[in-house]
Amino acid sequence: AQSVTQLDSQVPVFEEAPVELRCNYSSSVSVYLFWYVQYPNQGLQLLLKYLSGSTLVKGINGFEAEFNKSQTSFHLRKPSVHISDTAEYFCAFSNTGRRALTFGSGTRLQVQP
Amino acid sequence: DGGITQSPKYLFRKEGQNVTLSCEQNLNHDAMYWYRQDPGQGLRLIYYSQIVNDFQKGDIAEGYSVSREKKESFPLTVTSAQKNPTAFYLCATRAGSGSSTDTQYFGPGTRLTVL
Repeated sequence: AQSVTQLDSQVPVFEEAPVELRCNYSSSVSVYLFWYVQYPNQGLQLLLKYLSGSTLVKGINGFEAEFNKSQTSFHLRKPSVHISDTAEYFCAFSNTGRRALTFGSGTRLQVQP
Repeated sequence: DGGITQSPKYLFRKEGQNVTLSCEQNLNHDAMYWYRQDPGQGLRLIYYSQIVNDFQKGDIAEGYSVSREKKESFPLTVTSAQKNPTAFYLCATRAGSGSSTDTQYFGPGTRLTVL
């Protein structure tokens, strides 16, 4: 079965500290990977995506993610977080056999002063 | 102002009533989607439409219905057959030809509460 696993439901971190949000996927075919951010009671906003090419992908707001095919992972990182990064983050993938996105359960990032 | 609009933002429904959630877009995107979001479960696909007058069931279509009579509009009806309809509902569109590599864009969502 194709699925996405976000290993941490909540990640508390102090302001200006680095953070990594973990994402692993399971698929029998090639995938395209996405990270979205959701602020309270709002829709989702695309942070970054990996389609092909360089495995290190840079996105908005200083976030980046690295695609690791051998470990089937697509972890999201930021070297120094701000209070405004407090939100829920979703990892998702699609492939040629499915027109819609498959989402992980989300990770709530809580940045503390 | 371009984008995806969903209305209303908050919706209350009595048990046994049907209710329709609106989704409108002016992005000229062909593909449109409905997702349901529950705490701790991420987003799950209800229905999607690649073109006008055509739509397919997603992973949790039971108790829901849709129509796609216009490119700009993809309303979702939550019927009385949906046993647990309280959730946050998100509409999305897909750029380009709707292929797997294209980005999905999301509306602001409608929070439905069944009283």
